[in-house]
Parts: sequence; C-alpha cells; structure tokens
Amino acid sequence: SSELTQPPSVSVSPGQTARITCSGDALANQYVYWYQQKSGQAPILIIYKDSERPSGIPERLSGSTSGTTATLTISGVQAEDEADYYCQTADSGNTYVFGSGTEVTVL
Amino acid sequence: QVTLKESGPVVMKPTETLTLTCTVSGFSLSNPKMRVTWIRQPPGKALEWLSHIFSNDEKSYTTSLRTRLTISKDTSKSQVVLSMTNMNPVDTGTYYCARHYRPYGLDVWGQGTTVTVSS
Repeated sequence: SSELTQPPSVSVSPGQTARITCSGDALANQYVYWYQQKSGQAPILIIYKDSERPSGIPERLSGSTSGTTATLTISGVQAEDEADYYCQTADSGNTYVFGSGTEVTVL
Repeated sequence: QVTLKESGPVVMKPTETLTLTCTVSGFSLSNPKMRVTWIRQPPGKALEWLSHIFSNDEKSYTTSLRTRLTISKDTSKSQVVLSMTNMNPVDTGTYYCARHYRPYGLDVWGQGTTVTVSS
C-alpha cells in the first residue's frame, strides 16, 4: 500500500501563510482530499479533487498539486485554523490512504 | 440533514471481536454515488482508513487488517456494520464512520466512538 508523507508540524503567526505538503507516488494520478481536525472533534472535509472547496469552507484555504506532491495553503492564518490537517488519496485495490498528519500551531 | 452515528462497545478485552454499527440518516445506502467508510484513530495518532462498502455491496479493506475486518450493510435499517476480530490493546482508539460522496470524498463524518481494549 502507498504512503503519504506530511511534515509533523507547522508553526505560523496570525496573518501569515501556512503551507502543508503531502507527498506520495499515488498522488501522481489520483485526486487528493484534505481534512481539518480540531482538538476533540471529528475531521471535516476542506478540499476535494485537489483544489475544490466545499461550501462553507473559507477561501483562504486552497489546494494545489504538482507531480507527486500536494499542497494545502492557508492564507492569512487565523487562530481558528489551529488544527491537525490530513491529506488522503486513493490507493490500490479500491482502497484509500491518509497522510501522516500535520499539526498547525498559530503562534 | 445528513448524519452518521457510530455505536458499539466502549471497553473490550483482548481477543474479543469488535462489532461497530454506523446508523445513517438523510441519504440512502442504495445511492450508487455514496458509500460508507470506516476510519480509526489511535490516541494522539493519525487517521487510518479501514474499509468501505458501496451500494452494490462491493467492499474494500485496508491491506494490513484485511484478515480481521468484515463490513456489511442493511439498507432497510440504514446501517453499516464493521467487525474486527482478535482485538488487542493497539486497536484502542476512536472509530469513525463517514459518507464518501463521489466526487467529494468523506464529506460527512460521525462523531466517532471510542473503543478501549484492555485486560
């Protein structure tokens, strides 16, 4: 099965830009999804099909891909963006895989 | 309104079989665009995709747990059941069910249910 690698943590000051990467061979030909999980809560979908935002997700959250790396960008970071972020993609055998997760800390 | 709710035991002993039920509302398990997925999360660790089931009963399992997992559904009851055999302490964690709505991904999640495996 495939692996998706994310940096364990990212720290950013309010108003600055946070970039979270997700790397894995499976990303070369599969869509990536991103989820946000705040402390003690279930995850929520924030990006689908690489760069699409569900309704209600702020425009400051955006996604992009290049080759085998996907990037979640949070522009103008706010305190409420402090959370764990996970990427996900399709894997072999009609299964899926999550990334290792990134903890975003707002300084 | 679409909701999913997990239910099952809170505490288990090693070697027991876990049976979790996901009761859904607001959509039908017979909708071909939708499937129900199970995900788990050990305390302080990452999400782990476990299994999903389609409207036509097609199923998939994560490779590492394939021999221990069984997923099924009862469309009339709007329920999806996941069983995991031979539970051990490393299986302790929060278990979530979520709707996978093509092409949006896991767009609605249950609140999760915590399972502790301890002798």
